[in-house]
Amino acid sequence: EVQVVESGGGLVQPGRSLRLSCTTSGFTFGAESMSWFRQAPGKGLEWVGFIASKAYGGTTHYAASVEGRFTISRDDSKSIAYLQMDSLKTEDTAVYYCSRDSYGHSPIDSFDFWGQGTMVTVSS
Amino acid sequence: DVVMTQTPLSLSVTPGQPASISCKSSQSLVHTDGKTYFFWYLQKPGQSPHLLISEVSNRFSGVPDRFSGSGSGTDFTLKISRVEAEDVGVYYCMHSIQLPRTFGQGTRLEIK
Repeated sequence: EVQVVESGGGLVQPGRSLRLSCTTSGFTFGAESMSWFRQAPGKGLEWVGFIASKAYGGTTHYAASVEGRFTISRDDSKSIAYLQMDSLKTEDTAVYYCSRDSYGHSPIDSFDFWGQGTMVTVSS
Repeated sequence: DVVMTQTPLSLSVTPGQPASISCKSSQSLVHTDGKTYFFWYLQKPGQSPHLLISEVSNRFSGVPDRFSGSGSGTDFTLKISRVEAEDVGVYYCMHSIQLPRTFGQGTRLEIK
């Protein structure tokens, strides 16, 4: 059974940092690219960034709104993807989700399992 | 960036009646591999998004067959043949043909 669990959220002051984790099981994590998404309170869904599998170079790409402040990494030995968030702004307040991406394979078995999300509140 | 435009933005449907949501993309979502990188999600109140349909028309495991997806290229439709009370929430379309992945604005479905 595929499981995805996001964690690490909390209350943080503007300008500070936070690291989120996306812990997975039930599939071959190392073979999958992973994306992070977010949803601000009362708003729609927004893609945050992506990390390719090692087979595709482990490259990363980010939304313009977080480029230069957020960094995605992965630990294939633990089946975990990370989202390092630096220089946080109040507009980064959102629930953050992760899911396996379609990069490098069919849209089937992609973006299929999402966790409950982890809430990040940026406020002084 | 690919712009995804959903219509309508809200729906009020009597139980047992059909419902339809449209999603149009600003460019074709057909990849060079021949597959279409298009998805439908439902986010029920207080929950995370749940995948309904991938690659235009493939229902995800456990999704009732009253949900169906159709379309091609840039025009896509989600149909619910007979709306039930548990179908309330916000429906989103999404593409992954290129980076960044983008979503439609969402369509809120309520029960009359």
